[in-house]
Amino acid sequence: AQRVTQPEKLLSVFKGAPVELKCNYSYSGSPELFWYVQYSRQRLQLLLRHISRESIKGFTADLNKGETSFHLKKPFAQEEDSAMYYCALRSNQAGTALIFGKGTTLSVSS
Amino acid sequence: SQTIHQWPATLVQPVGSPLSLECTVEGTSNPNLYWYRQAAGRGLQLLFYSVGIGQISSEVPQNLSASRPQDRQFILSSKKLLLSDSGFYLCAWRSEGFGTEAFFGQGTRLTVV
Repeated sequence: AQRVTQPEKLLSVFKGAPVELKCNYSYSGSPELFWYVQYSRQRLQLLLRHISRESIKGFTADLNKGETSFHLKKPFAQEEDSAMYYCALRSNQAGTALIFGKGTTLSVSS
Repeated sequence: SQTIHQWPATLVQPVGSPLSLECTVEGTSNPNLYWYRQAAGRGLQLLFYSVGIGQISSEVPQNLSASRPQDRQFILSSKKLLLSDSGFYLCAWRSEGFGTEAFFGQGTRLTVV
């Protein structure tokens, strides 16, 4: 069965500090992995996906198949990064669902 | 461009009353459609998803049902609401394909009283 685990409900850091939001997954095949973000009063939206191997708003995430992890990182947090972050997984097979972890609230203070 | 509409934004319903939440997508065809419930501490729980008209997969046994009467219309229903059905419901769509992005509606805040 597919499962996404985000162990931290809340992560509080100071502005300029490094950030790492943890995500572990359970899936026996080749997964598609994503990070979604929800800013206050905004819709849930895609932040980045593992196949793109890109940096968005200074965030990066590397898929580690050995550790079944897809942690989200940013070297220097900004106050505008404060939001709810969800890790999501989907099987690479057609017709399968996109499932999410429980989310981590990131709070960046000055 | 593609858009997703979900309504109503808020809804207060008495226990035992029926429910119908509607979601429509514009600007695309044959989307994968999803209903999620978002709750504090429980994250985004997948309720139903659909890969085509009349094709519904249920992920969690519950008091709710879903239907897809048209290609770009997805409806979440209940015959008799329970207090535990209160929550924030999100509709989403994505195109079939590897790594495609999901787009979310604005959500419906349902309060059962």
